Amino acid sequence: DIQMTQSPSSLSASVGDRVTITCRASQSIGTYLNWYQQKPGKAPKLLIYVASSLQSGVPSRFSGSGSGTDFTLTISNLQPEDFATYHCQQSYSMPTFGGGTKVEI
Amino acid sequence: QVQLQESGPGLVKTSETLSLTCTVSGGSISPYYWSWIRQSPGKGLEWLGYVFYTGISKYSPSLKSRVTISVDMSKNQFSLKLSSVTAADTAVYYCGRHASAYNWFDPWGQGILVTVSS
Repeated sequence: DIQMTQSPSSLSASVGDRVTITCRASQSIGTYLNWYQQKPGKAPKLLIYVASSLQSGVPSRFSGSGSGTDFTLTISNLQPEDFATYHCQQSYSMPTFGGGTKVEI
Repeated sequence: QVQLQESGPGLVKTSETLSLTCTVSGGSISPYYWSWIRQSPGKGLEWLGYVFYTGISKYSPSLKSRVTISVDMSKNQFSLKLSSVTAADTAVYYCGRHASAYNWFDPWGQGILVTVSS
């Protein structure tokens, strides 16, 4: 299995901040990396696929980058509705997810 | 747009078989792949396996001996069976769609909490 490690596991931020979340794969996965947002009691929602493609309807303040083993999700100008948990997922082989990053106020 | 809805018992006894169904509305089962993913309380997400609309399935090696995923195109549904459950199988179970065998999941069902208890 490819192990996915996210950091940090949680962070505190304020409205208007720029937030960066990192995801590292245990082996090279090209750009087969996807990001999801999950709010309490809800299913994950796709934000970004293949590392940097923004899913339709997702605000442009969300962006993704990276390739190989190191990836980042950046949220610029953090909004109140962005406080949630973010998960990365590799789709290079049998799907595995990172442990999640909780973005708190 | 396509919507997914999980259904099934919210409580399963230890050592019995967990059975869930995901109903697809607003779209067809074909030509997609359909997965089950779970999230244990306070934990991360775990992929369990997928079924292709043709009936071909693939499972996580860690659960392969206990999991079966099948599809019923006539009902626009696919199902999960997980045998010999223990408390460690208590989780929210999600169904999700993907366009190829290894891909991103979109959309997801709302999830169903299944508790395993004696």
